[in-house]
Amino acid sequence: DTAVSQTPKYLVTQMGNDKSIKCEQNLGHDTMYWYKQDSKKFLKIMFSYNNKELIINETVPNRFSPKSPDKAHLNLHINSLELGDSAVYFCASSQLAGLAKNIQYFGAGTRLSVL
Amino acid sequence: AQKITQTQPGMFVQEKEAVTLDCTYDTSDPSYGLFWYKQPSSGEMIFLIYQGSYDQQNATEGRYSLNFQKARKSANLVISASQLGDSAMYFCAMREEGAQKLVFGQGTRLTINP
Repeated sequence: DTAVSQTPKYLVTQMGNDKSIKCEQNLGHDTMYWYKQDSKKFLKIMFSYNNKELIINETVPNRFSPKSPDKAHLNLHINSLELGDSAVYFCASSQLAGLAKNIQYFGAGTRLSVL
Repeated sequence: AQKITQTQPGMFVQEKEAVTLDCTYDTSDPSYGLFWYKQPSSGEMIFLIYQGSYDQQNATEGRYSLNFQKARKSANLVISASQLGDSAMYFCAMREEGAQKLVFGQGTRLTINP
């Protein structure tokens, strides 16, 4: 049973399209995250939600809109896709707790290719 | 501002040898956590080990141990008796107390040779 699952695993689309990536966690965690990994493998936080409320928004273009219908789900919608959006997007989750219990568990990633 | 540096872009090691992956960090917060993740070629991010800034002992998890030197601000990952399956990218990350985001280093690509 996958703890943090993302769909789809691969997404190939044309510039200008709108697409969504879904994420679900069955760990009972309070907090979920989206990270972006670029072509050089560098990972950077994009958003974080705690119990459906946005707590981190790291200067991401407003074409990216996260939505959390409940604390087990955090979806990422991207409007007007650009070539530079091509990357691997990771969803993660953790408890909102002290450092020792705040281990973030990641999904398998979604590889987005914008043509 | 918190910063993580991994100075080894690539490492090549013979199977069964021990390997140390370097990680240095910078923070002004006295309370923080250090994490190591493994990313195999299949792409997923796998949590390996955690060290808290106030922990008195170095963390260990099976063949993984963390050589934590607080005064030098380093948190090197040691993998004992390396195996072919250890070939992967390894990322060091830090989280400051009160912050929710992980800040990652650039990663080290480890290749284990038979």
